[in-house]
Amino acid sequence: AQKITQTQPGMFVQEKEAVTLDCTYDTSDPSYGLFWYKQPSSGEMIFLIYQGSYDQQNATEGRYSLNFQKARKSANLVISASQLGDSAMYFCAMREVSGNTGKLIFGQGTTLQVKP
Amino acid sequence: EAGVAQSPRYKIIEKRQSVAFWCNPISGHATLYWYQQILGQGPKLLIQFQNNGVVDDSQLPKDRFSAERLKGVDSTLKIQPAKLEDSAVYLCASSLEWRSSGNTIYFGEGSWLTVV
Repeated sequence: AQKITQTQPGMFVQEKEAVTLDCTYDTSDPSYGLFWYKQPSSGEMIFLIYQGSYDQQNATEGRYSLNFQKARKSANLVISASQLGDSAMYFCAMREVSGNTGKLIFGQGTTLQVKP
Repeated sequence: EAGVAQSPRYKIIEKRQSVAFWCNPISGHATLYWYQQILGQGPKLLIQFQNNGVVDDSQLPKDRFSAERLKGVDSTLKIQPAKLEDSAVYLCASSLEWRSSGNTIYFGEGSWLTVV
């Protein structure tokens, strides 16, 4: 069964520093996608970054990078040079498609607070 | 490109009343999802449509929840009668189609429901 685990309920980081948000997953499907979303207090789920299971290189999008360790089944999000606007809830999610519906399964989320 | 549109943004109703949420996906997106997000948790899929057909409604409480996507574009999610535990954010999302793990799922701003 699909499972996403985010073990950090809350994190603090100083403005301009880097922070890593942890995510581990469990799947028996060889083809899957891993996503990170940001959810500010307004409620919208904002797509940040995607990593495919067959991708050889770690994904990067601006200040966001995904540390993908396939053997360990981990997909940690790294935010460099944190900004006050990064304060939000962050969700890791996984999508399988083989014999499945392609739905996203979400973790419990990590609340990030950036301190000035 | 317009994003996923949802309305109403906020709704407060009494238990046993009914409520309906509307969603218009991104143009050209064949797959539409309704997720329920209870405060402090990750979103949970309620129902998934591919065009106007249901792909997955295994977690939809069918005794009180219903959803339709009659013309394969916009969709309505209804709750009747509402219970206190239905208080949540209802997120609509869409993607090009579900068979590719890399197709990003984009979310709307959500409809916040409070049942009193």
